[in-house]
Amino acid sequence: GENVEQHPSTLSVQEGDSAVIKCTYSDSASNYFPWYKQELGKRPQLIIDIRSNVGEKKDQRIAVTLNKTAKHFSLHITETQPEDSAVYFCAASTHDDYKLSFGAGTTVTVRA
Amino acid sequence: DTGVSQDPRHKITKRGQNVTFRCDPISEHNRLYWYRQTLGQGPEFLTYFQNEAQLEKSRLLSDRFSAERPKGSFSTLEIQRTEQGDSAMYLCASSPQGAEAFFGQGTRLTVV
Repeated sequence: GENVEQHPSTLSVQEGDSAVIKCTYSDSASNYFPWYKQELGKRPQLIIDIRSNVGEKKDQRIAVTLNKTAKHFSLHITETQPEDSAVYFCAASTHDDYKLSFGAGTTVTVRA
Repeated sequence: DTGVSQDPRHKITKRGQNVTFRCDPISEHNRLYWYRQTLGQGPEFLTYFQNEAQLEKSRLLSDRFSAERPKGSFSTLEIQRTEQGDSAMYLCASSPQGAEAFFGQGTRLTVV
């Protein structure tokens, strides 16, 4: 099955700085890569996703890049704000079933 | 609230008891997924339905676990003879076919 590894496990940044989270996957059949944000006690919420036919996608301060050859993808958050503090999960799946395999998560803390 | 709804939000049960959780997906979402999340980890896939058909069960799902989705609407997840290792957050997600999954708030199970 798919194995997704995520690094780092914790990330502390100064407000206004950038945050980068990296994930690798093992199954070359995976072609859908979403990122979820989970605040304490709340549901995971999709913040951005990318499909294998593109290498980069951006939505305001958030961007995701995908390197299919190397089987890795990354989340970039620019101009971080205190409300960006949360746990972020990467995931991978195929278009057939959208059954998600998640990374272990990154706890992001934005220092004011 | 038109999002994914789960009930109950919290459940404390004694070891050996049976428990049942309910998930109401977003209306007209034909896919429904169950995940389990333990502290400090990403969600792990348990099973999923397309309409009323259960298409896949994870090897994580022992014989004590059963899920149903009668009539392709709400779903139930039952755990028989609960064990302390079953303590976790049980998350439900739904999606229209071929699109991203939306998660419910989860049911936190504590087995004492």
